[in-house]
Amino acid sequence: LAKTTQPISMDSYEGQEVNITCSHNNIATNDYITWYQQFPSQGPRFIIQGYKTKVTNEVASLFIPADRKSSTLSLPRVSLSDTAVYYCLVGDISGAGSYQLTFGKGTKLSVIP
Amino acid sequence: EAGVAQSPRYKIIEKRQSVAFWCNPISGHATLYWYQQILGQGPKLLIQFQNNGVVDDSQLPKDRFSAERLKGVDSTLKIQPAKLEDSAVYLCASSLDRQRSEVTNEKLFFGSGTQLSVL
Repeated sequence: LAKTTQPISMDSYEGQEVNITCSHNNIATNDYITWYQQFPSQGPRFIIQGYKTKVTNEVASLFIPADRKSSTLSLPRVSLSDTAVYYCLVGDISGAGSYQLTFGKGTKLSVIP
Repeated sequence: EAGVAQSPRYKIIEKRQSVAFWCNPISGHATLYWYQQILGQGPKLLIQFQNNGVVDDSQLPKDRFSAERLKGVDSTLKIQPAKLEDSAVYLCASSLDRQRSEVTNEKLFFGSGTQLSVL
């Protein structure tokens, strides 16, 4: 079964770059890596997705090494509003045999003024 | 574009009572999911619909939980009878469509959830 491991929590000061690394040693060959962000009292929100190398959008960058056993979400110059829980997801086979994206506990990022 | 709508926003009930949650997905989204999120944990998938058919309900406690999506649009999730451990946020999500070959690319859109407290 595919599984992700990421730090439980991280602290950062405003204006700094934050890198959150996720391990996914058993990622399937055709699987993408997807990151979601969740603010308190809201549902998760898609941030970025990638398969290999580097992906960048207006919110974040995602770095994926050649072996794809890990990935790093990079948030440039964080602000207080980036305080949230960040989830790294890869595919998993459910009990019913269907392919699902499974949420772990995520990384709670606290941005300090 | 309107997002995923859920109601009610909050619900407080006593154990052994019943409760129902409603979800309206984004227009045109064929796939609908119900997740349970217990405080401090990530969302856990309860059931997934493709149009009005169930794709996966392997983690749904079927002795007390039920869900339906009769016309392939709105969905309801019911708990009867509720237990203390059912206290959680119930999240509904939808995605455009889901072919097995595309599942790794799917982008989920979540509602704000219903916070259930069972006393």
